[in-house]
Amino acid sequence: QKEVEQDPGPLSVPEGAIVSLNCTYSNSAFQYFMWYRQYSRKGPELLMYTYSSGNKEDGRFTAQVDKSSKYISLFIRDSQPSDSATYLCAMLMNNNAGNMLTFGGGTRLMVKP
Amino acid sequence: DAGITQSPRHKVTETGTPVTLRCHQTENHRYMYWYRQDPGHGLRLIHYSYGVKDTDKGEVSDGYSVSRSKTEDFLLTLESATSSQTSVYFCAITRGLGSGNTIYFGEGSWLTVV
Repeated sequence: QKEVEQDPGPLSVPEGAIVSLNCTYSNSAFQYFMWYRQYSRKGPELLMYTYSSGNKEDGRFTAQVDKSSKYISLFIRDSQPSDSATYLCAMLMNNNAGNMLTFGGGTRLMVKP
Repeated sequence: DAGITQSPRHKVTETGTPVTLRCHQTENHRYMYWYRQDPGHGLRLIHYSYGVKDTDKGEVSDGYSVSRSKTEDFLLTLESATSSQTSVYFCAITRGLGSGNTIYFGEGSWLTVV
């Protein structure tokens, strides 16, 4: 079983829809939770990160963490065609040698005009 | 922009040949990473560096070596390329440890081993 599980999609929604992207994880040692957005043939781009359980909002994006259930979500409101990309969740543990990220496999999102 | 430059961006090479990918950063970050990205596997850590001449293995290090002789450059070498190493390779940096300091990625190097 992978440490981080993410539905690969693709997820296709109409413009303006609310999108929900999710990941589950198994390692309780993960301390920080990130969402990256990756456009085709580009590097992953940090979208949001959270530390504690609860919600964090940034514009149309809301990241939610439930540590008790080992479940994280990313919500996108009023989705736009420009949101079409692959979304990667990532979990981070600090150790003395650096920040170690474990990624989900990514969910491909398509927002249709 | 995290000041990361990867080279080459695209390369086709033959099985058994050595290949070196270069990651160059301009912001004097201590920590640097090499990841590979494959369908169905997401991003997986190959090697990382926590300072000049200080490196360690990641999850998928077999067949790869790294070197960091100066802060700004982190080199990934495939000593004898195999078809299983056809992948997209991303270099990354972190601006520090602890809360708020996460990992930023370069634009990727597409490697095809034929």
